[in-house]
Amino acid sequence: ETGVTQSPTHLIKTRGQQVTLRCSSQSGHNTVSWYQQALGQGPQFIFQYYREEENGRGNFPPRFSGLQFPNYSSELNVNALELDDSALYLCASSPRTSGGNEQFFGPGTRLTVL
Amino acid sequence: LAKTTQPISMDSYEGQEVNITCSHNNIATNDYITWYQQFPSQGPRFIIQGYKTKVTNEVASLFIPADRKSSTLSLPRVSLSDTAVYYCLVDPMDSSYKLIFGSGTRLLVRP
Repeated sequence: ETGVTQSPTHLIKTRGQQVTLRCSSQSGHNTVSWYQQALGQGPQFIFQYYREEENGRGNFPPRFSGLQFPNYSSELNVNALELDDSALYLCASSPRTSGGNEQFFGPGTRLTVL
Repeated sequence: LAKTTQPISMDSYEGQEVNITCSHNNIATNDYITWYQQFPSQGPRFIIQGYKTKVTNEVASLFIPADRKSSTLSLPRVSLSDTAVYYCLVDPMDSSYKLIFGSGTRLLVRP
């Protein structure tokens, strides 16, 4: 069974640029959530996708957007990058079941905005 | 208003039992208590979840008193590899929805 994978591992961008981060969910999982984790802080929920539709969003501006594909993989897009967008971006997948609060996280993508 | 309060950091030594307590005074009837572990440069990993009394798995035990306003994660005989950040979460039982993380407890295990 393959776990959650994310690409790229690290990324350096400059302010104002756009970035796309990718995530492959764990086999059998149809729900993908994205989190932003600033240094020394806990992860903060960005949004979640289920069946290719956004299914809940945290307190992030519209320049954070996403996609989910038929194979349940997902992308996170961030436009007009700001310095404060520098963080570890985590993807988590879970099966769409009614029990348990277990989400399976990938290793993350470290984004640095200069 | 934060849903959970836990110590910022804790120190321990190899072989000791570590207990990390989390306060959640405003826990709702349908909320469950979940603990995650995170190593540097990795995503969080689910450790254990419970609703009341005691839950034990191969990694840890979770103690929840009757009023459910706090919970204690117990790690038996820690090793250096248990050095990590531990997060206490209080959320409705629904794995499909968002997880709300606080700042966590940084546990340092010394030789």
